[in-house]
Amino acid sequence: DAGVTQSPTHLIKTRGQQVTLRCSPKSGHDTVSWYQQALGQGPQFIFQYYEEEERQRGNFPDRFSGHQFPNYSSELNVNALLLGDSALYLCASSLGPVRGAFFGQGTRLTVV
Amino acid sequence: DAKTTQPPSMDCAEGRAANLPCNHSTISGNEYVYWYRQIHSQGPQYIIHGLKNNETNEMASLIITEDRKSSTLILPHATLRDTAVYYCIAPQAGTALIFGKGTTLSVSS
Repeated sequence: DAGVTQSPTHLIKTRGQQVTLRCSPKSGHDTVSWYQQALGQGPQFIFQYYEEEERQRGNFPDRFSGHQFPNYSSELNVNALLLGDSALYLCASSLGPVRGAFFGQGTRLTVV
Repeated sequence: DAKTTQPPSMDCAEGRAANLPCNHSTISGNEYVYWYRQIHSQGPQYIIHGLKNNETNEMASLIITEDRKSSTLILPHATLRDTAVYYCIAPQAGTALIFGKGTTLSVSS
């Protein structure tokens, strides 16, 4: 079992660009949550997808959007990148909402 | 989510038990208590969770008080590799995990 896998592991983008991050959940899991973790801070909840719908959202602007596919994998899209979007982006999967989520190793996004 | 309060930092000698407290005095009857840890630059790692009864697994033990207003995570024999930030979370039923600031545990030889 590969666990939760995220791609890419590192990414550098220019301010104003758009980025797509990808997440494959742990086998058997149907729920995916995304988090942003700035340096020195705890993970901040962005949103959660279940049954291909966004079911819960944190305090993030509409520039952050996502999608869940029928195979439960998910994408996080960020438009009009700002320098402040530089962070580690974490994906977590679970069987149903909450329920002991397992995290991937994250994508390190640097906006220059 | 029930608000959780944890000490910002704790120290522990290698080989000794590490006891990490968490206060969740506003927890509701159906809200579980989850513990995660995060080693520098890695994704958070699930440790254990519980509702009312004490729980134990290969990583740790979770002791929840009878009134459920607080809990303690116990690492029975701490090693240097247990140095990490430990998060106690009590999410509302059916909602995602919301992380606070956690406790930075430093294990030294």
